[in-house]
Amino acid sequence: KQEVTQIPAALSVPEGENLVLNCSFTDSAIYNLQWFRQDPGKGLTSLLLIQSSQREQTSGRLNASLDKSSGRSTLYIAASQPGDSATYLCAGAGGTSYGKLTFGQGTILTVHP
Amino acid sequence: NAGVTQTPKFQVLKTGQSMTLQCAQDMNHEYMSWYRQDPGMGLRLIHYSVGAGITDQGEVPNGYNVSRSTTEDFPLRLLSAAPSQTSVYFCASSSPGQGRNTIYFGEGSWLTVV
Repeated sequence: KQEVTQIPAALSVPEGENLVLNCSFTDSAIYNLQWFRQDPGKGLTSLLLIQSSQREQTSGRLNASLDKSSGRSTLYIAASQPGDSATYLCAGAGGTSYGKLTFGQGTILTVHP
Repeated sequence: NAGVTQTPKFQVLKTGQSMTLQCAQDMNHEYMSWYRQDPGMGLRLIHYSVGAGITDQGEVPNGYNVSRSTTEDFPLRLLSAAPSQTSVYFCASSSPGQGRNTIYFGEGSWLTVV
């Protein structure tokens, strides 16, 4: 059974800092790894999806990496802004079960001015 | 393009009552799923469908039923609500091969069982 863990549970940084969120998973037979953002009282918005054959994906100030051998993924946020404050979740789709996601518990990010 | 639409947004039920959470998507996605989100537990998969007429159980299926008669709709039924089903419910849809960010979530349904 896939298990996903996110560290840290919460993070508070000043505006402008570069930061890294960590995600680890137990089953290396992962189909893809996805990072989501969730604002309070809202649904999830997909940020980046990394296929199992890929090492990283980039979108604007966001960069996500995937290392299947070590069971780790990181989300790098450059030049953080107060608008980046949200909960960030990673989720893995295992084996042939595309779309059946196992989520971590999330990292609550606060970027203060 | 409405994406994934969930109704109702908020609902209060008494123990033992039944209800259906509705989910509809207009993106012609084959895959649809239901998750519940609880404090300290993250999101957990309840039921899953890979197409009309095909459903499968997820991690926490007990107390919930689903059906998929059309590609667009994937309702979640609570036959006899229990306080343990108090949660936020999210519906999601996806389709492999449609691009980088292919999983879309609804806005959520807040359910309280008293």
